[in-house]
Amino acid sequence: SQQGEEDPQALSIQEGENATMNCSYKTSINNLQWYRQNSGRGLVHLILIRSNEREKHSGRLRVTLDTSKKSSSLLITASRAADTASYFCATSNTGKLIFGQGTTLQVKP
Amino acid sequence: DAGVIQSPRHEVTEMGQEVTLRCKPISGHNSLFWYRQTMMRGLELLIYFNNNVPIDDSGMPEDRFSAKMPNASFSTLKIQPSEPRDSAVYFCASGDRAQETQYFGPGTRLLVL
Repeated sequence: SQQGEEDPQALSIQEGENATMNCSYKTSINNLQWYRQNSGRGLVHLILIRSNEREKHSGRLRVTLDTSKKSSSLLITASRAADTASYFCATSNTGKLIFGQGTTLQVKP
Repeated sequence: DAGVIQSPRHEVTEMGQEVTLRCKPISGHNSLFWYRQTMMRGLELLIYFNNNVPIDDSGMPEDRFSAKMPNASFSTLKIQPSEPRDSAVYFCASGDRAQETQYFGPGTRLLVL
């Protein structure tokens, strides 16, 4: 069964704007991770947040985790055209990662 | 570090043929994962290994699929016989531990005619 579900499925913004993607999951987790996939490429790890953490930053990325609501959000600030990609959340549970269906982000120059 | 290496990058074959996909994980990583990605089903975990031992193969679609990891630096995913519905991008990933960061290879794009 699907563990992580991203929202929205697609997002189109102008360069310079912020992009926010959300992820909801169903069961308890050890950690939650965000990955990026450029068209035709493999997934690239962006950030990992553990179940006892509430917020984490990495460069222009900000991730929050609310375990009571079983949800996470990924904020990309000051977006660039190069941020155009699909973004996936993955939850860690029972020794493996379960990926959501992803959010496709388009950043228009 | 060369990252995770997969071969071939593209494979076109006819229904009924055997397909073998290969993966070389990042040196020192203990976990190796095989995923399949399609538009309809998204990214699915097929099987993963810890220290060369298969831990969870519950995602392997059926007996036509098999995976091996004879040593820490090599793994194969075999489909025999292949069917058109196996057409997908197959990714290999490796990591220090099963629940932590995974590093993906570039994928093998498989088309079964």
